[in-house]
Amino acid sequence: GQNIDQPTEMTATEGAIVQINCTYQTSGFNGLFWYQQHAGEAPTFLSYNVLDGLEEKGRFSSFLSRSKGYSYLLLKELQMKDSASYLCAVRGMTTDSWGKFQFGAGTQVVVTP
Amino acid sequence: EAQVTQNPRYLITVTGKKLTVTCSQNMNHEYMSWYRQDPGLGLRQIYYSMNVEVTDKGDVPEGYKVSRKEKRNFPLILESPSPNQTSLYFCASSLGHTQYFGPGTRLTVL
Repeated sequence: GQNIDQPTEMTATEGAIVQINCTYQTSGFNGLFWYQQHAGEAPTFLSYNVLDGLEEKGRFSSFLSRSKGYSYLLLKELQMKDSASYLCAVRGMTTDSWGKFQFGAGTQVVVTP
Repeated sequence: EAQVTQNPRYLITVTGKKLTVTCSQNMNHEYMSWYRQDPGLGLRQIYYSMNVEVTDKGDVPEGYKVSRKEKRNFPLILESPSPNQTSLYFCASSLGHTQYFGPGTRLTVL
């Protein structure tokens, strides 16, 4: 199984940059995902990493190091609407566990004016 | 519009009274999954289905059943609900690596 750790809460100012770290056990891994969840809403997909390196998508970037069991989500030019919970998730590695997902508890990002 | 729908959105019930939460997707996705979300615990997977008639346990399957008789529907069944199943439930479907979540069902078991 996976233990997925991410900080509980982070606060940043509008226009700033925030980096949300996620660590996981490296046994059984086939993809790391980031989701955004606004209060009272469903999670929405942000990014997917399966190889080491940085994936950039507009103001959001996600990084993965498989050997270190580490990922981060970088949010640039923060806007008030980015206030949300950010969920890190990993997918199982074997054919038996391909459909299995485990999520971290989420990081609540608070953007202040 | 491509979407995942869940019904009901809110439900208050009593211990032991069987209930079903429906989930339907109109995107022809093969993969579907059920999660529960509790404060401080994040999303935990209950069951998932890779295709019709193929279902498998997630991390917290106890007390739940599912079926996948057709591609678009993936109902979650609580045969004898208990208060510890009070939670926010999400259904999701995917093709590839993007999961699309339904709006959620808030269940309270008294």
